[in-house]
Amino acid sequence: NAGVTQTPKFQVLKTGQSMTLQCAQDMNHEYMSWYRQDPGMGLRLIHYSVGAGITDQGEVPNGYNVSRSTTEDFPLRLLSAAPSQTSVYFCASRNTGGRGNIQYFGAGTRLSVL
Amino acid sequence: GNSVTQMEGPVTLSEEAFLTINCTYTATGYPSLFWYVQYPGEGLQLLLKATKADDKGSNKGFEATYRKETTSFHLEKGSVQVSDSAVYFCASDSNYQLIWGAGTKLIIKP
Repeated sequence: NAGVTQTPKFQVLKTGQSMTLQCAQDMNHEYMSWYRQDPGMGLRLIHYSVGAGITDQGEVPNGYNVSRSTTEDFPLRLLSAAPSQTSVYFCASRNTGGRGNIQYFGAGTRLSVL
Repeated sequence: GNSVTQMEGPVTLSEEAFLTINCTYTATGYPSLFWYVQYPGEGLQLLLKATKADDKGSNKGFEATYRKETTSFHLEKGSVQVSDSAVYFCASDSNYQLIWGAGTKLIIKP
């Protein structure tokens, strides 16, 4: 039962480097999203997608790109890493429609930008 | 717009104490309501939920009742354990999005 899988678990980047955080889910969920969580703070939505080929911005999208070419995968790209992007990143997925759909989270990617 | 407000932490209790973490929401319509828990170093996982007024969600000794008249979904547990130490998040539905509270850190001392 894989659920939501994020890779890598840890990453250290230098300022200006680019990288992609991977996220995959095997539950056939339409909705996927990326959050960042900073120390002592709650979750902030970066980008989300309601289905393949459809993405939209969340609360804090600057410096990040996403794409959704398949239902299963939703990678998050950091274009030019900055120290302000040091954070823990969570990918999540859930069904849409109906009521009370549970959102499932990956284990997180801990990113440090030096 | 929709919002969720939960009590600030950290909340520090002794083992076997009674726990309440307050959560109130503002929303158009009648959202589903959730409590998620985040244990140290892990992602969030669902603790319990309620989808309509007067529903009570329960799990692992935790309970919360959907109170439409007070727009609240307070989390309670009768006797907490050290293993309950975690961050607790209240959330409400807004279409396909979840609206999150800021999280409340719970520390249980033996």
